[in-house]
Amino acid sequence: DIVMTQSPDSLAVSLGERATINCRSSQSVLHSSKNKNYLAWYQQKPGQPPKLLIYWASTRESGVPDRFSGSGSGTDFTLTISSLQAEDVAVYYCQQYFSSPLTFGGGTKVEIK
Amino acid sequence: EVQLVESGGGLVQPGGSLRLSCAASGFTFSSYWMHWVRQAPGKGLVWVSRIKGDGSTKNYADSVKGRFTISRDNAKNTLFLQMNSLRAEDTAVYYCARDFGYDFTVNCFDPWGQGTLVTVSS
Repeated sequence: DIVMTQSPDSLAVSLGERATINCRSSQSVLHSSKNKNYLAWYQQKPGQPPKLLIYWASTRESGVPDRFSGSGSGTDFTLTISSLQAEDVAVYYCQQYFSSPLTFGGGTKVEIK
Repeated sequence: EVQLVESGGGLVQPGGSLRLSCAASGFTFSSYWMHWVRQAPGKGLVWVSRIKGDGSTKNYADSVKGRFTISRDNAKNTLFLQMNSLRAEDTAVYYCARDFGYDFTVNCFDPWGQGTLVTVSS
């Protein structure tokens, strides 16, 4: 199984400041022939189901604000919120879909400082 | 509007059974792989199972293999999860989720239902 490790477990960021979340996979999730990283990011607000933010490591889902961006390749990935807004308070999860079983990181809780 | 609505959760004793349903609307249900993902209270997300649009292919996490069965009724736009031999560690909110891909599986999830809580306890 591919193990997904997120860091930090939580972070507190001032409104308008940058938040950076890291995700590392135990094996590469880059499909070399397709040149795609099989990595997604989700946002889960309290009491709500997760919502897809980013897929293929860096492609924003329709309707997701452009302050959210994803980067990285192979085994190391980053989700960046460029200017944190109050509505971004949530837990963020990465997920690999390169191989079965599909696996998630443990989550990173983002709060306002 | 795409909508997924789960039902069937509740309190069940260890060793018991439960059948979850997920009613889908707003899209061509039979064209999508569907998934179940669970989340224990205060914990992270764990993929449980998936099924192809025509029901011909099914996959399971090792932790539920042999105990859970995924199925679908495309005429009724409904996804099911039959859960047998339930254990305390199966306690979780169970979400159904549509695969991101149309007519083929991508294996990421969009959208998700609101979830249904399953509690396994004596």
